Amino acid sequence: GQNIDQPTEMTATEGAIVQINCTYQTSGFNGLFWYQQHAGEAPTFLSYNVLDGLEEKGRFSSFLSRSKGYSYLLLKELQMKDSASYLCAVRYQEDDYKLSFGAGTTVTVRA
Amino acid sequence: ETGVTQTPRHLVMGMTNKKSLKCEQHLGHNAMYWYKQSAKKPLELMFVYNFKEQTENNSVPSRFSPECPNSSHLFLHLHTLQPEDSALYLCASSQGGGGGAKETQYFGPGTRLLVL
Repeated sequence: GQNIDQPTEMTATEGAIVQINCTYQTSGFNGLFWYQQHAGEAPTFLSYNVLDGLEEKGRFSSFLSRSKGYSYLLLKELQMKDSASYLCAVRYQEDDYKLSFGAGTTVTVRA
Repeated sequence: ETGVTQTPRHLVMGMTNKKSLKCEQHLGHNAMYWYKQSAKKPLELMFVYNFKEQTENNSVPSRFSPECPNSSHLFLHLHTLQPEDSALYLCASSQGGGGGAKETQYFGPGTRLLVL
């Protein structure tokens, strides 16, 4: 199962909140990851969800609904340094430890 | 020390050249991966090694040849590439050995490759 869909771009103001949605095929779902990637740098791990609900880590939260095949990454109190690409990745049972990635959402934070 | 390192960071090569990309991980992991990242496209998995054994070759053209001499090092040998092969090549590592669904991949900074 692939077809990981997320918006291409989002723009928000410093101090605001932005929600990045990700949808995926539910069959065989076995975990969802969010990564942050600054231009020219390595993707860095942000969060992991496998059960329904909200996982909070400081200014960043990630939500999962397995029945809907839906996740979002919530970025609160936006800072200029949050300008980056955010990648949604899904693990499927038949793929063992491999990940299927979305194309990424480029978030631009404006002053 | 940085978890996953890659060299070189930038590479320009002609279509008749032969070059190699190097990846090294200092995390004690057993699985290593090569990905291709093109603009506005999802990361494409190319190769997977688990305990030095290649477990995945994702229909990658033979002009890309991986090598994994040990669990800490991974190479990608390049020869007679095409301009459409220009992209960011990312290496990643994870615990491996059936570490479970939560197993997280950690990425290197990538090699930006331009084929002329």
